[in-house]
Amino acid sequence: GNSVTQMEGPVTLSEEAFLTINCTYTATGYPSLFWYVQYPGEGLQLLLKATKADDKGSNKGFEATYRKETTSFHLEKGSVQVSDSAVYFCALSTGNTPLVFGKGTRLSVIA
Amino acid sequence: DGGITQSPKYLFRKEGQNVTLSCEQNLNHDAMYWYRQDPGQGLRLIYYSQIVNDFQKGDIAEGYSVSREKKESFPLTVTSAQKNPTAFYLCASSIITYSNQPQHFGDGTRLSIL
Repeated sequence: GNSVTQMEGPVTLSEEAFLTINCTYTATGYPSLFWYVQYPGEGLQLLLKATKADDKGSNKGFEATYRKETTSFHLEKGSVQVSDSAVYFCALSTGNTPLVFGKGTRLSVIA
Repeated sequence: DGGITQSPKYLFRKEGQNVTLSCEQNLNHDAMYWYRQDPGQGLRLIYYSQIVNDFQKGDIAEGYSVSREKKESFPLTVTSAQKNPTAFYLCASSIITYSNQPQHFGDGTRLSIL
């Protein structure tokens, strides 16, 4: 079946540090890949997506590249801000099935 | 503005009681979903619906029930058979359940036991 594995959190960084959150997946078929962000007390918001190999999704300074050869979709940001503190979820979908989510990675950015 | 509205934001359940969580969307989306979120567990799918009057069980459907009488509404009932209902419940919708379409989420309902 389909599954997503994210790096364990929490991740604590100083402001302006470089961020990487690892995500790898297992899927039958050719998945679309997503990163969602959840701020405290809220639902999830789509951060970025990629639908085919070598696609790069980007938004608000965050980037992730769909790597079929390594089945990965790592999230990166060059310089994090305090306002980026949230929980980040990697997810995939194949065919007409609902999204499958990773367990989430909590990021705390300190000034 | 289009979006998904979940209500109430906080809900308390007594032992043996059924409670219903509301989810309404005005995005004209065909598919709707219910997830349960527990600390450290990520999101787990309870039920989803692709069209009106049809729905499918997700990974953790036991103790829950849903209906889809209107396209814009997908209420979730947490029954007394659900022995550990304390969690954050998220409703989502998408255009159709095709792989490249993202899901849009409501702000959630936090359910606690009295």
